[in-house]
Amino acid sequence: EDQVTQSPEALRLQEGESSSLNCSYTVSGLRGLFWYRQDPGKGPEFLFTLYSAGEEKEKERLKATLTKKESFLHITAPKPEDSATYLCAVPTPGGGADGLTFGKGTHLIIQP
Amino acid sequence: DVKVTQSSRYLVKRTGEKVFLECVQDMDHENMFWYRQDPGLGLRLIYFSYDVKMKEKGDIPEGYSVSREKKERFSLILESASTNQTSMYLCASNNRGQGVDPFFGQGTRLTVV
Repeated sequence: EDQVTQSPEALRLQEGESSSLNCSYTVSGLRGLFWYRQDPGKGPEFLFTLYSAGEEKEKERLKATLTKKESFLHITAPKPEDSATYLCAVPTPGGGADGLTFGKGTHLIIQP
Repeated sequence: DVKVTQSSRYLVKRTGEKVFLECVQDMDHENMFWYRQDPGLGLRLIYFSYDVKMKEKGDIPEGYSVSREKKERFSLILESASTNQTSMYLCASNNRGQGVDPFFGQGTRLTVV
């Protein structure tokens, strides 16, 4: 059973059209939820870590929120340069060395 | 700037070759990881290391081995490359404990022909 599920798999928006990406998780005793951005052919770039329900973090047009079962990445008035794949991850349950288990990502396209 | 550097961006190797992928981090991190990323499957952990000469298997270690002789360097070895090992390989590092976020290298796109 997947521990991290992201939806939608792909999302196409017009420039300026706000929306949200979802990441639901099934692990108990969450030790952090991580958001990354990945551009084609490159490694993931760290965005946010959230640790407790109700926590929010913002960076430019992005805001990440966390509940007890899911996290949302809200994108406000997006620009074409926000096009990327957005990944969320949680520490692997029972895993050593703080490794991460990733969702499959949401591929976001912002059209001019 | 923190840095995780992978030795190659692109590699093309023949089936049966022994392949070395190198990763170096300059942040004095204790943990280092090797993932592979495939369309539809996401990132999957191959091996990780929490200290010099220490290693642990991840989710998909078959066909791979690793080496960590120095704290800053973590090598992934494909003993006998096969076409199903064609993938994007990503190295990451962090320190133990909460609040230390894993940083990734730029990735190595390996093609086995």
